[in-house]
Amino acid sequence: SYDLTQPPSVSVSPGQTATITCSGDNLENKYTFWYQQKPGQSPLLVMSKTTRRPPGIPERFSGSNSGNTAILAISGTQAMDEADYYCQAWDNYNVVFGGGTKLTVL
Amino acid sequence: EVQLLESGGGLVKPGGSLRLSCAASGFTFNKYSMNWVRQAPGKGLEWVSSITSSGYYIHYADSVKGRFTISRENAKNSASLQMNSLRVEDSGIYYCARSEGDLTPLDYWGQGALVTVSS
Repeated sequence: SYDLTQPPSVSVSPGQTATITCSGDNLENKYTFWYQQKPGQSPLLVMSKTTRRPPGIPERFSGSNSGNTAILAISGTQAMDEADYYCQAWDNYNVVFGGGTKLTVL
Repeated sequence: EVQLLESGGGLVKPGGSLRLSCAASGFTFNKYSMNWVRQAPGKGLEWVSSITSSGYYIHYADSVKGRFTISRENAKNSASLQMNSLRVEDSGIYYCARSEGDLTPLDYWGQGALVTVSS
């Protein structure tokens, strides 16, 4: 089965840039999607097809790819960005999620 | 406004069955694939199953293959997940989410339905 690996946690100071990584075999040749989930809420798509920000998502969210690692960056991180973040890719018609990264803003 | 509303969750004993439904509105349902994703308490997201817009192609996670059945009724703008032979480890929140198809995002999610499998 296909696996996506994320760090369990990332901490960032308010106003700084948070970087969340997602690694997987041959990920450079796949689209990566990112979801934000706050406690008690459903996941929200914050990045599509590796680098495309959906309508309504603040410009401080950006996506990129470096080899087999996809990156979600949040510049000027705000307290409201504190959440769990999940990367996702498709593999052989199956949806695959990373284990999730808890972003703490402190 | 796109809306997805899950229903049918509840408490069931191990070995029992449950049927979840997802009512869709605000978009042309028969043009989208539908997906079920679950989340065990305090854990991450786990994909369960997907069905294409026509219902022709269906895929399941290995963990539910042979026990769960996904279906859809385009005339009623609804999708369903029939869950049989339920196990304790099937407990969690079940979300339905739409996608345009393979290689596209799950761009809208429902609020989720809680399934608890316990004796």
